[in-house]
Amino acid sequence: EVQLVESGGGLVKPGGSLRLSCAASGFTFSSYSMNWVRQAPGKGLEWVSSISSSSSYIYYADSVKGRFTISRDNAKNSLYLQMNSLRAEDTAVYYCARDLTPNEGEEDAFDIWGQGTMVTVSS
Amino acid sequence: DIQMTQSPSTLSASVGDRVTITCRASQSISSWLAWYQQKPGKAPKLLIYKASSLESGVPSRFSGSGSGTEFTLTISSLQPDDFATYYCQQYNSYSAFGPGTKVDIK
Repeated sequence: EVQLVESGGGLVKPGGSLRLSCAASGFTFSSYSMNWVRQAPGKGLEWVSSISSSSSYIYYADSVKGRFTISRDNAKNSLYLQMNSLRAEDTAVYYCARDLTPNEGEEDAFDIWGQGTMVTVSS
Repeated sequence: DIQMTQSPSTLSASVGDRVTITCRASQSISSWLAWYQQKPGKAPKLLIYKASSLESGVPSRFSGSGSGTEFTLTISSLQPDDFATYYCQQYNSYSAFGPGTKVDIK
């Protein structure tokens, strides 16, 4: 079964750091670009970051640029999001999502999503 | 950055109704547009990609059309399972989602 499972969410104080992980199974992880999308409580979806299959292409939303770092370990079938200098407005459910087609560096729709992990930034 | 808008923000409809949701991009995105359905507490589900291509396993009552800056998602006959929030997403330049359209029961 094709599956993505996020972990690492929790409660953190403003200015703190957190590292999210996404474990992939059931497909050739190293062939697909991967993404992080977040959703603040009661709000819509916000694209956060994307990384190509070989990590050659990395993109960030302006709202997280300079604070968040996306990475992947194809040997471990895992995607990561290092979040530093966290703010209250970063409070959200964070989803990892797979690109629809295997490619390198081309944007795509997202066909497989994890269940999400909640990040709460509060003092 | 490309901005996405959707209308209406909320739509009240009955089972069997034909429903149309509109998505507009602030600049041309060719056909690089996807539609998602999301239910409360669940992850989004891909319905349509490349503006009009139906994702595998998605019922044929869902269809998409448009190109350039204006796109539509149509549900030909609304079913009880279709009451949800729908989002469009451009992937022409990075990625961006529309604000969503909630379809609720009239």
